[in-house]
Amino acid sequence: NAGVTQTPKFRILKIGQSMTLQCAQDMNHNYMYWYRQDPGMGLKLIYYSVGAGITDKGEVPNGYNVSRSTTEDFPLRLELAAPSQTSVYFCASSYGSQPQHFGDGTRLSIL
Amino acid sequence: AQKVTQAQTEISVVEKEDVTLDCVYETRDTTYYLFWYKQPPSGELVFLIRRNSFDEQNEISGRYSWNFQKSTSSFNFTITASQVVDSAVYFCALGGTGGGADGLTFGKGTHLIIQP
Repeated sequence: NAGVTQTPKFRILKIGQSMTLQCAQDMNHNYMYWYRQDPGMGLKLIYYSVGAGITDKGEVPNGYNVSRSTTEDFPLRLELAAPSQTSVYFCASSYGSQPQHFGDGTRLSIL
Repeated sequence: AQKVTQAQTEISVVEKEDVTLDCVYETRDTTYYLFWYKQPPSGELVFLIRRNSFDEQNEISGRYSWNFQKSTSSFNFTITASQVVDSAVYFCALGGTGGGADGLTFGKGTHLIIQP
C-alpha cells in the first residue's frame, strides 16, 4: 500500500526554470493538498482540490499552478522558479474530513 | 482568519522525564478540528490525533495524552516517560468546519529533543 507518493524526492533548479512536482495517491481519496514547509516553520497551504476538475487556492498560491484531471494525481507546477520557492513540498490526501495522509516530501532548491 | 501558536520553539529533556507541548489556537468557527502531527528526523509527517471542538474529553494513548480546553483555546500534548524515539518536531494544526477538508493551518512546530 503506497499511500501518497511524491516524485522527485530532491531537485535543484536554476532561477527561471520550470518544473512539475508529481503527487499520486492510491487510497481513492477525494481531497488532495499541496503544502510548503520553510526552514523552522510550519506547513503552509498552497493549493487544494476537492475532486477531479476542482482546485482552489490556499494561503500561498502565487508562483504555482495545479491541475486535477484524475482522482489519483495532483501535480504542482512551478513556471518561473525563484529563490523564494526553495522549500520542502508536501502533498497530502484525505477522504472528506478525515485526517490527511502526507507524502514523504520533495526537497527543492532554487539557485 | 485562523492561527495556531506553538510558543515553545525547542524543548530538551532527559529520557524518562514528562514533557508538555503547548498549542494555542484562534478561530471564528464554532465547529473546528485540532490535530497533532509528528515529524521525525527522517522528515515525514505522522498523524497523531484529531479532536473536534465539541469533544473536550482528554484523551490518552499509551504514553501520549492530550488536554483540550476551549475556555483557553488550548490543545496541549503531554508525553509521559519520554524516550529517545520521541525526538522529533511536533506540529499542532487547526482545521475549519469541514474538518480540515479545505486545508489545515499549522503552528511553527516544537522541536523536542530527548537526551539519553
